[in-house]
Amino acid sequence: DTAVSQTPKYLVTQMGNDKSIKCEQNLGHDTMYWYKQDSKKFLKIMFSYNNKELIINETVPNRFSPKSPDKAHLNLHINSLELGDSAVYFCASSLGQLIGGANVLTFGAGSRLTVL
Amino acid sequence: EDQVTQSPEALRLQEGESSSLNCSYTVSGLRGLFWYRQDPGKGPEFLFTLYSAGEEKEKERLKATLTKKESFLHITAPKPEDSATYLCAGREAASNYKLTFGKGTLLTVNP
Repeated sequence: DTAVSQTPKYLVTQMGNDKSIKCEQNLGHDTMYWYKQDSKKFLKIMFSYNNKELIINETVPNRFSPKSPDKAHLNLHINSLELGDSAVYFCASSLGQLIGGANVLTFGAGSRLTVL
Repeated sequence: EDQVTQSPEALRLQEGESSSLNCSYTVSGLRGLFWYRQDPGKGPEFLFTLYSAGEEKEKERLKATLTKKESFLHITAPKPEDSATYLCAGREAASNYKLTFGKGTLLTVNP
């Protein structure tokens, strides 16, 4: 069983379109994240939800809107896609705060978005 | 701004040739240094967390160490299956949820 699963794995679309990426985790974690890995390979946090409440909202264009219907799901909707949005988007989850022991990030396999 | 810098960007080793990867950080009030391994087309996979200067952790051929300003990932007698990108990340005191990642070191181990 995949612990953190994302769909779709690949997404190719035209500029201006709207698209969504879905994420689900079956680890019983209560915190979920979206990270973006650009062409330079930097992984940067975008959003985080704890028990469906938004707790991290980095400087991200408001074209990006996360939604967490429940603790096990976190979706990312992107409006009016731009060329610069091309990247790999990773979903991750953790059991509470990243403060020790087993409290670490578990990542999904990523969703590669290409905007043409 | 908090930063995590990894060096070298790429490292090519022969099988059995030991070496070290470096991670230096300026994360404010560091509250944890994390090492991850990322294989092509996959998400990062957790390796170690270090919290205190002088702390060391080991797993198979990998050993991570932490000083006040940097961390090292030592790879002893590597095998081709150790080839991957190794990422380090720091957690600052201001947020118990946010990790700042470095760009990673791409390790290639040739047979």
